[in-house]
Amino acid sequence: LAKTTQPISMDSYEGQEVNITCSHNNIATNDYITWYQQFPSQGPRFIIQGYKTKVTNEVASLFIPADRKSSTLSLPRVSLSDTAVYYCLVGFMDSSYKLIFGSGTRLLVRP
Amino acid sequence: ETGVTQSPTHLIKTRGQQVTLRCSSQSGHNTVSWYQQALGQGPQFIFQYYREEENGRGNFPPRFSGLQFPNYSSELNVNALELDDSALYLCASSAGQLGGEKLFFGSGTQLSVL
Repeated sequence: LAKTTQPISMDSYEGQEVNITCSHNNIATNDYITWYQQFPSQGPRFIIQGYKTKVTNEVASLFIPADRKSSTLSLPRVSLSDTAVYYCLVGFMDSSYKLIFGSGTRLLVRP
Repeated sequence: ETGVTQSPTHLIKTRGQQVTLRCSSQSGHNTVSWYQQALGQGPQFIFQYYREEENGRGNFPPRFSGLQFPNYSSELNVNALELDDSALYLCASSAGQLGGEKLFFGSGTQLSVL
């Protein structure tokens, strides 16, 4: 059964590093792991994407172990504007191809 | 702004009716996927179209159907609406067929079924 699992919520303070982990046991072999940010009443917005090991861009890092059964989004020095819901997205193959979002992690950044 | 536009932004229907939602993909993108997002939940994959053919489908009944046109815009049709169909419907476009290419989302259509 294709499924992804994330913590429901996390609290942090401005300037701290936040790490959010997603587990995805049955990811399709050739699929990337992608993370999105969503604010209320908006569509999800791309943060970062990777296949394995570590990827870094101007806003985040993504750590993927060799077995690719999980991934960790790292947000360095969060600010109040990072308060949002964060989703991992992976592809699975069973009877047909499916894109599965995690249940989402609601991040609250406090002053 | 992602370049993905959805219409209408809001819609109210009654149970048993049919609805058509529309999506214009970002220029250069040939793949469109649709998602249903209930309040407080993550987006649920409905299906994906690549070059006018459905090439992926989530666990939604056949009354959820779609089309992709030669210009890569897309429609989501839902027949025999049920109260539980009330949700935000999101469309996303991407440049590739499979493999989790970067998705660009529209702002969604908020559907209310009464």
